[in-house]
Amino acid sequence: EPEVTQTPSHQVTQMGQEVILRCVPISNHLYFYWYRQILGQKVEFLVSFYNNEISEKSEIFDDQFSVERPDGSNFTLKIRSTKLEDSAMYFCASGKVPLYNEQFFGPGTRLTVL
Amino acid sequence: DAKTTQPNSMESNEEEPVHLPCNHSTISGTDYIHWYRQLPSQGPEYVIHGLTSNVNNRMASLAIAEDRKSSTLILHRATLRDAAVYYCIPIRDDKIIFGKGTRLHILP
Repeated sequence: EPEVTQTPSHQVTQMGQEVILRCVPISNHLYFYWYRQILGQKVEFLVSFYNNEISEKSEIFDDQFSVERPDGSNFTLKIRSTKLEDSAMYFCASGKVPLYNEQFFGPGTRLTVL
Repeated sequence: DAKTTQPNSMESNEEEPVHLPCNHSTISGTDYIHWYRQLPSQGPEYVIHGLTSNVNNRMASLAIAEDRKSSTLILHRATLRDAAVYYCIPIRDDKIIFGKGTRLHILP
């Protein structure tokens, strides 16, 4: 069964450094998402991406964040200058036509900012 | 986005049915009701969704009230692997807004 994959599984970085989290969505999906979950808290929507542009973003997704689909398979989340409060699990998801279809989530990348 | 109310936690015995309730009284007529779950240390996982009619799939059944202000997720025979946080989510566009969900404990 196809699945969403994410790398790395765990990323440790120093405050102020740039990080890129990588995702390979399911191949025939057209809608892509990033969510995050701070330890012990709810899963939070960050951004949705369709047709090579951002469809919607949350208040969390400020100028420090960016997303890209650099080729036909990868979908990346970049944090330009990490802060301590960016420490969280970051989940990538992909899906077909939204609303009527489910989103498939990856296993997540645990980001630790020191 | 429609507000949902779910019990914080529930317990069930293994191999027994589980009924997980959700109130979504502010749901709009075009919102689909989706259920996701999150097993420990994993990403969220889709369970089922519906609009007005009851729905069944290999994982669960979804019973939707006639006025659509509430729904119930039914796990017909719970296993230890079903221990997770279950989220009831009305969706009208493509983003998922997760609430706190119901933490389901399965007793062996």
